[in-house]
Amino acid sequence: GDSVTQMEGPVTLSEEAFLTINCTYTATGYPSLFWYVQYPGEGLQLLLKATKADDKGSNKGFEATYRKETTSFHLEKGSVQVSDSAVYFCALGVYGNNRLAFGKGNQVVVIP
Amino acid sequence: GAGVSQTPSNKVTEKGKYVELRCDPISGHTALYWYRQSLGQGPEFLIYFQGTGAADDSGLPNDRFFAVRPEGSVSTLKIQRTERGDSAVYLCASRTGDTGELFFGEGSRLTVL
Repeated sequence: GDSVTQMEGPVTLSEEAFLTINCTYTATGYPSLFWYVQYPGEGLQLLLKATKADDKGSNKGFEATYRKETTSFHLEKGSVQVSDSAVYFCALGVYGNNRLAFGKGNQVVVIP
Repeated sequence: GAGVSQTPSNKVTEKGKYVELRCDPISGHTALYWYRQSLGQGPEFLIYFQGTGAADDSGLPNDRFFAVRPEGSVSTLKIQRTERGDSAVYLCASRTGDTGELFFGEGSRLTVL
């Protein structure tokens, strides 16, 4: 079935470092792809999305490009801040995008 | 309110008890979702309402779980004869339109002792 795989384990990095979180997907159709973020003590919120191949979603300095040829939607940020510490979830729209299938999430910790 | 509201934020109960979790979506949002998030995992789909009807309940794990949305706004997730394995954070989300963004509440953390 349609699913998302995120890289294993938490990510710890220093302020101003480059961040990449890998996400690959399996889908039978042409799903929309999303990154959601969960800051400490808050609910999940949409970070960015892309609705078709080669689209790039961007927000708050984060970017992800919908790569159909590699079935990937990796999240990147060039210079992270302490305030970016959160859990990041990759997701895809399934069943006509009527619901989302989420990856396991990656805890990102940015140290000053 | 401005966002999706879930109550209670925390619920501790004993094995075998009945539990209700409430979700108040953003006003005007026609679609409402329940997800369950276990420790270290991503949200797992449970059920999706479009208006008052359950459009997709394929994620409900068994017949102990049931959800209603009688007036097309507030929804209640009901869990009968709770088991320790039901312990998780139960998330509610709503959206408007066919492909709009999902807005999540902060979740209800259920602990079954």
